[in-house]
Amino acid sequence: GAGVSQSPRYKVAKRGQDVALRCDPISGHVSLFWYQQALGQGPEFLTYFQNEAQLDKSGLPSDRFFAERPEGSVSTLKIQRTQQEDSAVYLCASSLLYRRVNTEAFFGQGTRLTVV
Amino acid sequence: GQQVMQIPQYQHVQEGEDFTTYCNSSTTLSNIQWYKQRPGGHPVFLIQLVKSGEVKKQKRLTFQFGEAKKNSSLHITATQTTDVGTYFCAGRYGGSQGNLIFGKGTKLSVKP
Repeated sequence: GAGVSQSPRYKVAKRGQDVALRCDPISGHVSLFWYQQALGQGPEFLTYFQNEAQLDKSGLPSDRFFAERPEGSVSTLKIQRTQQEDSAVYLCASSLLYRRVNTEAFFGQGTRLTVV
Repeated sequence: GQQVMQIPQYQHVQEGEDFTTYCNSSTTLSNIQWYKQRPGGHPVFLIQLVKSGEVKKQKRLTFQFGEAKKNSSLHITATQTTDVGTYFCAGRYGGSQGNLIFGKGTKLSVKP
């Protein structure tokens, strides 16, 4: 596609509910990143994939957060038993890997998650 | 852990004034990127700096990477209302495949 696509754009979840957020990266982009952005803050790193391999998941805040990219393209971020502190915008970004160097990151519009 | 500090948090300027935001890391960065996020939007890539002491210009924007590769700055000359938004620096440590660590951003408002 023309850009990084995320769905849904908005999600309201009841506390304790499980949610799944989808990211469709730019075709051919090897690298995929998930970030969490709270209101008025900078994006906080969650996890990084290179193709289907999850190379870094050090930013996932708890074991309720799980991400996958089974075929090296579309990725899903799953949050189990959502809590109010999970309310944030979840950003997905993708980039090319050129000579083992990540180039600029292209961000999707994000999914705004509100836990009530 | 690795952290990128960015100041100021907010900057209000009159249209036509200059604006500068600064980023600092306690450890050496392999490279640094700058992004702009408009209200309600997503971060949009502006530039990447890789070399020690590098200076790059984009029209009224000047980006610098420090000699020690621990700090960086973005300077906008003669701001316009279209410059409004939050400017983030994002540093990469170690190998260039590593994740980007974002600063908290500088929110710029421009009074016409």
